[in-house]
Amino acid sequence: DAGITQSPRHKVTETGTPVTLRCHQTENHRYMYWYRQDPGHGLRLIHYSYGVKDTDKGEVSDGYSVSRSKTEDFLLTLESATSSQTSVYFCAIKGQGETQYFGPGTRLLVL
Amino acid sequence: DAKTTQPPSMDCAEGRAANLPCNHSTISGNEYVYWYRQIHSQGPQYIIHGLKNNETNEMASLIITEDRKSSTLILPHATLRDTAVYYCIATPSNTGNQFYFGTGTSLTVIP
Repeated sequence: DAGITQSPRHKVTETGTPVTLRCHQTENHRYMYWYRQDPGHGLRLIHYSYGVKDTDKGEVSDGYSVSRSKTEDFLLTLESATSSQTSVYFCAIKGQGETQYFGPGTRLLVL
Repeated sequence: DAKTTQPPSMDCAEGRAANLPCNHSTISGNEYVYWYRQIHSQGPQYIIHGLKNNETNEMASLIITEDRKSSTLILPHATLRDTAVYYCIATPSNTGNQFYFGTGTSLTVIP
């Protein structure tokens, strides 16, 4: 599992509140990713990071921000949660070559 | 990244080989073929990848056609625990790119 943990694993929140999801890795990987998964879709990239303080947008980045102040942690923030952000969020790291390894996911419900 | 096409669903009898096809007719020379699977709502699990040669590991075999326009993932002796959604992804090497997940193939292993 490449030493990836996500917290929280489940969260229920209300529309308009800020939410921060955490991805933690223990193996000093440079690249980290945040994806979301919704019914009828595969995983879609939100943001990714290629080093401390180096981040870039993915295909579905609107309404999300990220931060990476240290190698092991990659934070995803929903600045003002909306019901359309109800989803399962997966963090990943890039290992050898292009192989990505995924965390267990965070289920987020926005009421 | 090349687009991949997979059948939406397949069945396989327990103990028999499961052969999952993937079409990637627009793949370029530097793009690897990756296979992942996702069991229930767990994080995607890496299975195998290859460039142009056939590959085998403890989980599966990957057969890539000589023209690289298609590939087949083979689970040699399918078990009930292999029931999952299988994703085929084509991605360039050494780019840190996101993986473009489609909707994959839902494999059901039947007792």
